[in-house]
Amino acid sequence: DAGVTQSPTHLIKTRGQQVTLRCSPKSGHDTVSWYQQALGQGPQFIFQYYEEEERQRGNFPDRFSGHQFPNYSSELNVNALLLGDSALYLCASSPGTGETEAFFGQGTRLTVV
Amino acid sequence: AQTVTQSQPEMSVQEAETVTLSCTYDTSENNYYLFWYKQPPSRQMILVIRQEAYKQQNATENRFSVNFQKAAKSFSLKISDSQLGDTAMYFCAFMKLLSGNTGKLIFGQGTTLQVKP
Repeated sequence: DAGVTQSPTHLIKTRGQQVTLRCSPKSGHDTVSWYQQALGQGPQFIFQYYEEEERQRGNFPDRFSGHQFPNYSSELNVNALLLGDSALYLCASSPGTGETEAFFGQGTRLTVV
Repeated sequence: AQTVTQSQPEMSVQEAETVTLSCTYDTSENNYYLFWYKQPPSRQMILVIRQEAYKQQNATENRFSVNFQKAAKSFSLKISDSQLGDTAMYFCAFMKLLSGNTGKLIFGQGTTLQVKP
């Protein structure tokens, strides 16, 4: 079992550009959540996808959007990048009903210059 | 809204000794879950231990145990027989289930733990 995989591992973008980050959940998991972790801080919840729909959303602007595919993989899109979007973006998957353990990927380090 | 507070930004412990990391939280919910996650330099968040709020018995996982005080909204992590591999950032986190499914995790600011040889 490959666990949760994220791509790319590192990314450098310019202010104003758009970026897409990808996540493949652990086998058998149907729920995917995304978190933003600034350097030295705890992760902040961005949104969660279940059955291809956004089920919960944190306090992030509409520049942050996502998608979940029928195979449960997910994308995080960020438009009009700001310097403050530089962070580690973590994807977590979970098996769904009644389960509380979230399994995390190794994250994508995004640097906006 | 729920909040999680970790008041110890950094801690250190000698190898083989015991250390306790503190966490307090605020919620009006009665049913929820609390977690301690470990994040080593590899960046991957790893679950250390989980506590269901409805259970009075404190959770234990090998060298890791918690002291869960529901009324005081306190959830500390005790690491016994500390090992060099325990060096990492530790996060306390809160979760409320959403319609019976996994909810969002609310994390504290983290405590950096260094185990010294």
